[in-house]
Amino acid sequence: KAGVTQTPRYLIKTRGQQVTLSCSPISGHRSVSWYQQTPGQGLQFLFEYFSETQRNKGNFPGRFSGRQFSNSRSEMNVSTLELGDSALYLCASSGGTGGTGELFFGEGSRLTVL
Amino acid sequence: AQSVTQLDSHVSVSEGTPVLLRCNYSSSYSPSLFWYVQHPNKGLQLLLKYTSAATLVKGINGFEAEFKKSETSFHLTKPSAHMSDAAEYFCVVIHTGGFKTIFGAGTRLFVKA
Repeated sequence: KAGVTQTPRYLIKTRGQQVTLSCSPISGHRSVSWYQQTPGQGLQFLFEYFSETQRNKGNFPGRFSGRQFSNSRSEMNVSTLELGDSALYLCASSGGTGGTGELFFGEGSRLTVL
Repeated sequence: AQSVTQLDSHVSVSEGTPVLLRCNYSSSYSPSLFWYVQHPNKGLQLLLKYTSAATLVKGINGFEAEFKKSETSFHLTKPSAHMSDAAEYFCVVIHTGGFKTIFGAGTRLFVKA
């Protein structure tokens, strides 16, 4: 069974640009959540999608957005990039219909903003 | 309100000695509790989980954790550390009723030869 796949693994952008990250969950998983990880702030929850609906949202500005497609694949977008957006962005999927259970993580997309 | 506190930001042990990583939680509901490990530039890997069955939970790579409701703790232990255990460990509370996942700040484990 294939794991959670995140693309791209590494990318470099400049301030003001936008970026789109992709996450393919484990087959059959309908919940996808996104996290930002930085040395200073640790792991922070961005948002969670279940069956194409945003079910929960963390405390991030509106520049951070996401969506989920009918095949459960998810994308997150960051517009007007700032230096502080440099981070490892992790995606996790989970199965089941009732709430969040065990999370399965991808290896992350490392974004560097110059 | 739910919260997770990992009591040590760094723990250093010698190879072959026991490991103890401490985690306290606060939850208004019966939580599901997890320990994850993260090696450098990698995603998080599940070590073990507690979901209201046995209070002593065994995980991968010789790790185990004990759920103590009276102490609201879920400490992670391993009898004998190995160099490959050097990584960052996260205690996680998942409140299924509110679809919330709360991560501890992480504990970095150093293993000395």
